[in-house]
Amino acid sequence: AQTVTQSQPEMSVQEAETVTLSCTYDTSESNYYLFWYKQPPSRQMILVIRQEAYKQQNATENRFSVNFQKAAKSFSLKISDSQLGDTAMYFCAFMKYNNNDMRFGAGTRLTVKP
Amino acid sequence: DAGITQSPRHKVTETGTPVTLRCHQTENHRYMYWYRQDPGHGLRLIHYSYGVKDTDKGEVSDGYSVSRSKTEDFLLTLESATSSQTSVYFCAISGAGQGGDYGYTFGSGTRLTVV
Repeated sequence: AQTVTQSQPEMSVQEAETVTLSCTYDTSESNYYLFWYKQPPSRQMILVIRQEAYKQQNATENRFSVNFQKAAKSFSLKISDSQLGDTAMYFCAFMKYNNNDMRFGAGTRLTVKP
Repeated sequence: DAGITQSPRHKVTETGTPVTLRCHQTENHRYMYWYRQDPGHGLRLIHYSYGVKDTDKGEVSDGYSVSRSKTEDFLLTLESATSSQTSVYFCAISGAGQGGDYGYTFGSGTRLTVV
């Protein structure tokens, strides 16, 4: 079974600075997807960014980018120019290609301080 | 926002009582999912559906049943609620590509407390 590990239960960053959230996963599959979801205090789950394993280029969405290291099975999220609205739980998730079971890590609680 | 709603948003129930949570979508998506969220575990899949009357078990399906009689509605039932089922329950939907292409769209969650 696939497992997703987020080793940082909590992190904090000063407003306008950069922070990196770590995620590692375990799989024997070669084709899969990786995701980062944000959950603010409102409880809504919001897709931040996704990566397809066959693509070597790291995904980027505005201030959010990933460092995808397939051989190391690592998928970290970098948030640049952190804003107060980035305060949230962040979940890393894995899904095999053509599958219906998205596996989530335990989450990292990020606090952006003014 | 995507057309997915969950009801109720909060519920408190007693041990041993049946509980049904509802997920309703207006996106006409084929795939629907029920997850539970617990501290230290992230989200875990309970059941999912790939069409009307087509459902399958997920990682933590014991004690739960589901039904999908219409494309837009996916019901999660706890036949006899236990305290271990106190959790936040999320419904999610995905369209083409089984969620890989675009990820899942989640509802706003139901906080269930079993006392």
